[in-house]
Amino acid sequence: DTEVTQTPKHLVMGMTNKKSLKCEQHMGHRAMYWYKQKAKKPPELMFVYSYEKLSINESVPSRFSPECPNSSLLNLHLHALQPEDSALYLCASSPTLRSSGYTFGSGTRLTVV
Amino acid sequence: AQTVTQSQPEMSVQEAETVTLSCTYDTSESDYYLFWYKQPPSRQMILVIRQEAYKQQNATENRFSVNFQKAAKSFSLKISDSQLGDAAMYFCAYPGDQGGSEKLVFGKGTKLTVNP
Repeated sequence: DTEVTQTPKHLVMGMTNKKSLKCEQHMGHRAMYWYKQKAKKPPELMFVYSYEKLSINESVPSRFSPECPNSSLLNLHLHALQPEDSALYLCASSPTLRSSGYTFGSGTRLTVV
Repeated sequence: AQTVTQSQPEMSVQEAETVTLSCTYDTSESDYYLFWYKQPPSRQMILVIRQEAYKQQNATENRFSVNFQKAAKSFSLKISDSQLGDAAMYFCAYPGDQGGSEKLVFGKGTKLTVNP
């Protein structure tokens, strides 16, 4: 299995809803990432979970919270989002970033109404 | 801090012709990798090619090749015999760091259109 699987592919949620995005990989990669991507822009890093340590981009608001139940799974919990949070959310994993780069999932297209 | 610059927001090429996408970067490191990613409208980011900095030889993957100029910190992507399926956003990327953890630093991207 050489894939990163993201679910759901599309999500529409209201500003008062709570939802979760799921990301899973079975390649034995020890680092997983969440990126946010707006249209025609490069991905922006939100969170890194690497060797059981979580690193957070300090500009990410607290309405986004990551969870890593095990080394193969990385969830992103969403609560009280704003319309400007509508974007493509990409998950990625890597064994060793510097030589391997990332393997990306196909993303979740999130719309906040 | 490492930075990656793509100076061409959009490029177009005729089918079967060759196009070169530009990328420059800034780093104080001497040994590193560089990457080109492709993001078609289907939106999945796909690794196209990677280059190791200490290797003199430019990387090649089928119709994709790079022109790596380490001293100039330049890393351009050449696509030969362009095909309609090459139409996509292309991002140049460098492995930087975020609070002690590694992250990919992306350029702003180049949108490539392939004309039939």
